[in-house]
Parts: sequence; structure tokens; C-alpha cells
Amino acid sequence: DSGVTQTPKHLITATGQRVTLRCSPRSGDLSVYWYQQSLDQGLQFLIQYYNGEERAKGNILERFSAQQFPDLHSELNLSSLELGDSALYFCASSVFGGTDTGELFFGEGSRLTVL
Amino acid sequence: AQKVTQAQTEISVVEKEDVTLDCVYETRDTTYYLFWYKQPPSGELVFLIRRNSFDEQNEISGRYSWNFQKSTSSFNFTITASQVVDSAVYFCALSEAGIGDDKIIFGKGTRLHILP
Repeated sequence: DSGVTQTPKHLITATGQRVTLRCSPRSGDLSVYWYQQSLDQGLQFLIQYYNGEERAKGNILERFSAQQFPDLHSELNLSSLELGDSALYFCASSVFGGTDTGELFFGEGSRLTVL
Repeated sequence: AQKVTQAQTEISVVEKEDVTLDCVYETRDTTYYLFWYKQPPSGELVFLIRRNSFDEQNEISGRYSWNFQKSTSSFNFTITASQVVDSAVYFCALSEAGIGDDKIIFGKGTRLHILP
């Protein structure tokens, strides 16, 4: 058990809909990362937050947004869903967020299926 | 821009054989971190190692060893005397430690099959 909690574990929805994925980092970790894992794309970095502030951005679509709340949990919002958004979404946390990048602890992922 | 290349998409070896997974990275930063993660069939991602760019010593942990060579921008991973439980997807990752951006970029992974 990594200590990172992601909900929901599975989600099935229709095209055009909006969903919210939630992540609770390990106790004491200030950084939260979101990754998308599709079948043929490996792990794609989406976005990172550190202590409530956006710190780094990857290839995150404009239809996707995220935030980190004062209690350090994070939410990833996916809207106007398309079939291609079907993937496993991982959240990871790390105690670091500065220039000393530490080990990432991953949640079990949220599997999104868009029909 | 940072980039990680794992040229081996899939490897199959027979149990007890040694196997090396290749990782080549690109970065313009002089300070960076390299990682290996394992994703077994159950799906979770398990941290294996972190190495910073100033530490070129090779590391051994049981049957696992890592060879970091800055001259060739490679950070290869060797499993000695492989076991069926080593079957997984292995990811190499890179983080540039410049201030303001410490995203961790993963390669596409190498799927390793250990055949009994």
C-alpha cells in the first residue's frame, strides 16, 4: 500500500460527459502528479501541483483541469469526454517539489471507460 | 526538452537467464534524476531506484543492478537470474531539477516476459 488513495477505481461514462477523479496523497507529501496511461502511450505526464500551486504542466488537454486543495488532496476534471480519453489515470505523490525530485508514490489508478 | 527512450518494446527470456533493459535519456540540464519503476500485471507502479546525475556509481540490489553512463546518456537495468515474478512492464523516467519545473517524464516502457 503506497498510501496514495484514488477514487473511483473504475468509471464508465458516455462521450460528452464530465467526470472528476480524486486523489489523496500520502500523509506529509506536498506534491501531487497526474499521469494518463493509455494502451499504447505509456505514462503521459499531465500536471503537477506543489502545496496548492501548479508547478509543472505536461500535455494536458484544455478539456482537462486539475487543482490541489488546502488539505492537499487533488482533483482531475475531465470534460467533453471522447472515446480516446479512455485510460488509466494515475495520481502520485512526493514529499519534494523543489529542486530535489524525490520518489513518486503511485495510487492504484482510476480506470476510465468512455462509451 | 527532456526525453526518455526505451527502444525495447517487449522482451521474452527463459527463467534464470540474465536480461538487460535499455534506457537512453536526453536532457539539457546538468542536474537531473533518473528512475526505474516496475508495473506488474496487477497494475500498480512500484519504485525501484532513483539516481541523481552526480552519482555515476553503479548500484546493485539483490538480483537487480543499474548501470548509469553519462557519456552515453544511458541508465540500463539488469536482472540477473530472472524469475517469473519479474514479469512486468518496466519504466525508466527522468526529471530535470531546474527550478520551477520538476516534472518526471517516463519512457514508454519495456514489457518483460519471463518464461518458466
